[in-house]
Amino acid sequence: EIVMTQSPATLSVSPGERATLSCRASQSVSSNLAWYQQKPGQAPRLLIYGASTRATGIPARFSGSGSGTEFTLTISSLQSEDFAVYYCQQYNNWLALTFGGGTKVEIK
Amino acid sequence: QLQLQESGPGLVKPSETLSLTCTVSGGSISSSSYYWGWIRQPPGKGLEWIGSIYYSGSTYYNPSLKSRVTISVDTSKNQFSLKLSSVTAADTAVYYCARLTGTVHPWGQGTLVTVSS
Repeated sequence: EIVMTQSPATLSVSPGERATLSCRASQSVSSNLAWYQQKPGQAPRLLIYGASTRATGIPARFSGSGSGTEFTLTISSLQSEDFAVYYCQQYNNWLALTFGGGTKVEIK
Repeated sequence: QLQLQESGPGLVKPSETLSLTCTVSGGSISSSSYYWGWIRQPPGKGLEWIGSIYYSGSTYYNPSLKSRVTISVDTSKNQFSLKLSSVTAADTAVYYCARLTGTVHPWGQGTLVTVSS
C-alpha cells in the first residue's frame, strides 16, 4: 500500500495570503496525484489531477506541482470560500487508491 | 451531466450487513473507460477507499476490508452496490459512491450509516 502523508495537519492563513500544502508518498507515484477540497457537509471536489492540471471550473489561484514522492498544492491568494480541508490522493496504483490524512486550512 | 446517488439504511445493527446502492444517471455505467467505487469517511476523519468495480464485474478491494466487502454491478439498472458484513461501530461513516478514472470524480452526495444497536 502506498502511504500518503500530508503536512501540516492545520494551516492558519489570513484571507488574501498564500497557502502552501504538502503531500508526500511512501514510494514514487510519478505524476499520478490528485488534490481534493472538502467543505463541511459536502462531498470532496476534485481540484487538481496529474499533479498539476486544474479540473474543469477550478480557479487559477489553485496550482499543483511535484512528481515522484513530493507534491505541493498552492493557493495563491486565499478567498473566504477556500477555507476547507484538502486531501491528496495517489492513483499510480489506481486499483488500490490511497488518500492523505488531510490539511485543514483555517482563518487566522 | 453525470450524477451519482447513494441509497440504503442509515442505521445498521452491530454484526449485521451494511447494504448500499449507487444509482448512476446522466451516463452509462457500462462505459469502458471507467471504474466505479465506494469511499467512506468516519465522522471527523479522513477518506478511505473501500473498493472498485468495472462494468464487467471485475472487483478490487481495500486489503483491510477485503474479507468483509462485496461490490456488485447491475448494468440493466445502471447501479452498483456495496455490502459490508459483520459491521461494528468503527464502520460508522459517510459512504460515498463515485466514478473512478484513477481520480475520483464525480462523487455522490454521501450517505451517513450509523452502526448501533
